[in-house]
Amino acid sequence: SQQGEEDPQALSIQEGENATMNCSYKTSINNLQWYRQNSGRGLVHLILIRSNEREKHSGRLRVTLDTSKKSSSLLITASRAADTASYFCATVLNTGGFKTIFGAGTRLFVKA
Amino acid sequence: NAGVTQTPKFRVLKTGQSMTLLCAQDMNHEYMYWYRQDPGMGLRLIHYSVGEGTTAKGEVPDGYNVSRLKKQNFLLGLESAAPSQTSVYFCASSTTTGELFFGEGSRLTVL
Repeated sequence: SQQGEEDPQALSIQEGENATMNCSYKTSINNLQWYRQNSGRGLVHLILIRSNEREKHSGRLRVTLDTSKKSSSLLITASRAADTASYFCATVLNTGGFKTIFGAGTRLFVKA
Repeated sequence: NAGVTQTPKFRVLKTGQSMTLLCAQDMNHEYMYWYRQDPGMGLRLIHYSVGEGTTAKGEVPDGYNVSRLKKQNFLLGLESAAPSQTSVYFCASSTTTGELFFGEGSRLTVL
């Protein structure tokens, strides 16, 4: 079974609204990352949060991490039509090296 | 700066045929990965490498082999392709902080 599980599986919002996606994982992690994938393209790294961090910001992105609940959330503020994509959380396990496991993703659709 | 390059981008195989997917990175990264992406399943790790000459199994390694003879290249082989291996394959390399850089994918269909 996969390490990360995103929720919701799909999200449709109006331009200008905020979008929140959640990720839960099962085992101890070194860090957690969020990626974006446009249709038919490779994944692009958005943000990384370490296991000893609780919140991180990057532009319109805000990520939180709660290691006690083994969960993370990605908030995109003031969404734009160009934010339409799939978003994946990825956990880097505490097993040595950088074994990175992805969740199934959240498909975000932002209506103009 | 090309980043991560995958070849071929598309391939159609018959059941039982073999093939090799090539991944090349020009960022001098130590770590490289092969994932497969299927609808509704996200990305699943097939094999990965933490340095030249080393490989390790991921979540779904059966039916695949890999080699990392040179630091910049990571090869994924299918010895006897099966329809269940129809998928989009992504290669990635990573920095020491763990940020992954992905190629554009290789779409494989096994008939």
